[in-house]
Amino acid sequence: EADIYQTPRYLVIGTGKKITLECSQTMGHDKMYWYQQDPGMELHLIHYSYGVNSTEKGDLSSESTVSRIRTEHFPLTLESARPSHTSQYLCASSVAGYNEQFFGPGTRLTVL
Amino acid sequence: SQQGEEDPQALSIQEGENATMNCSYKTSINNLQWYRQNSGRGLVHLILIRSNEREKHSGRLRVTLDTSKKSSSLLITASRAADTASYFCATAPPGGSNYKLTFGKGTLLTVNP
Repeated sequence: EADIYQTPRYLVIGTGKKITLECSQTMGHDKMYWYQQDPGMELHLIHYSYGVNSTEKGDLSSESTVSRIRTEHFPLTLESARPSHTSQYLCASSVAGYNEQFFGPGTRLTVL
Repeated sequence: SQQGEEDPQALSIQEGENATMNCSYKTSINNLQWYRQNSGRGLVHLILIRSNEREKHSGRLRVTLDTSKKSSSLLITASRAADTASYFCATAPPGGSNYKLTFGKGTLLTVNP
């Protein structure tokens, strides 16, 4: 079992709400990632971080923002949720960019 | 453009049969990795094969890599119903440790009891 945690596991909210998806890892990994994945579809990288105070946008444009104030914590925030944000969000971490990634269980978000 | 492309998109077999999935990619790699994802869960790393390796085994898994054809295959032998999942290949580009993986679209494997 990977030591990477995501909360909440499921979230149903109304349009316009601000939400934060939590991701924490206890492995001391510098590299952390957020992916968006629709059911049965491919993963899209939306944000990544190489270390504390380092964040970059991924390949898929996203209205979300991230922060990395502590090594173990990489939260994702949506300032104003919309139905188009309905998806599964996966957090992952790795020692280095080319190493294996460890994934959390995911947060399934539904915006009504 | 997508670096990794799995083939087939979906595969249905009977328990005990072997399952083979293929992955093609476009540019040079440092390594290629295979992951499994059970429905509604995160991905689990299965195996990593480096660009200078041709074959690797892990339990019932066998991975091959042909860098001249830019392709890899994942073979699961003596499949079980518990192997039902989506399987993704991911490529790591050559270069520094700050580079990131690119995932393919996945193959959905269904193993019927």
